[in-house]
Amino acid sequence: GQSLEQPSEVTAVEGAIVQINCTYQTSGFYGLSWYQQHDGGAPTFLSYNALDGLEETGRFSSFLSRSDSYGYLLLQELQMKDSASYFCAVRDQGGSYIPTFGRGTSLIVHP
Amino acid sequence: EPEVTQTPSHQVTQMGQEVILRCVPISNHLYFYWYRQILGQKVEFLVSFYNNEISEKSEIFDDQFSVERPDGSNFTLKIRSTKLEDSAMYFCASHGQSDIYGYTFGSGTRLTVV
Repeated sequence: GQSLEQPSEVTAVEGAIVQINCTYQTSGFYGLSWYQQHDGGAPTFLSYNALDGLEETGRFSSFLSRSDSYGYLLLQELQMKDSASYFCAVRDQGGSYIPTFGRGTSLIVHP
Repeated sequence: EPEVTQTPSHQVTQMGQEVILRCVPISNHLYFYWYRQILGQKVEFLVSFYNNEISEKSEIFDDQFSVERPDGSNFTLKIRSTKLEDSAMYFCASHGQSDIYGYTFGSGTRLTVV
């Protein structure tokens, strides 16, 4: 089976940097994805890490440490529109490409 | 930008009734999925569909559920004899052969069973 842990809520101010952590337990591991969801709308793919290290996409970066079963999403130069839920998702090496989603972190950005 | 389209956006149905949720995936995508999200909870996998057949399904996807691709564009989820606990947001998602790392989700159908 798989389990993912991420904080339920994170708050930050506009312009700041915030890190959303995700720890996971899987019988195998194939990759960690991050999705953004605004107000219960369509989840939007942000990033994917299969190898250790940092992947950067504009203001968003995602990090993975497979030895620690840990990853994080880093959001820089926060904007009000970044207020959303952020889900990490793990793909298990057990033969399925289907990602299992965490419970999500609600990010609240204050002015 | 191509998008996944879902209809209706909101469906209210009486317990015990059948509902069909409809999705039009992105036209050149090959893999199709249904997920659900109960209010305030995580996104849960229901079923995946490839090459006109179910490739994987979760424990949630029992005999009450079925999927179909009746033509070249639509992908449907049928829920027979709905229960109160089926109330959730249902998301359709798709990806192409090379998009296995990122799914494109539709805006969802909010199903309310009363």
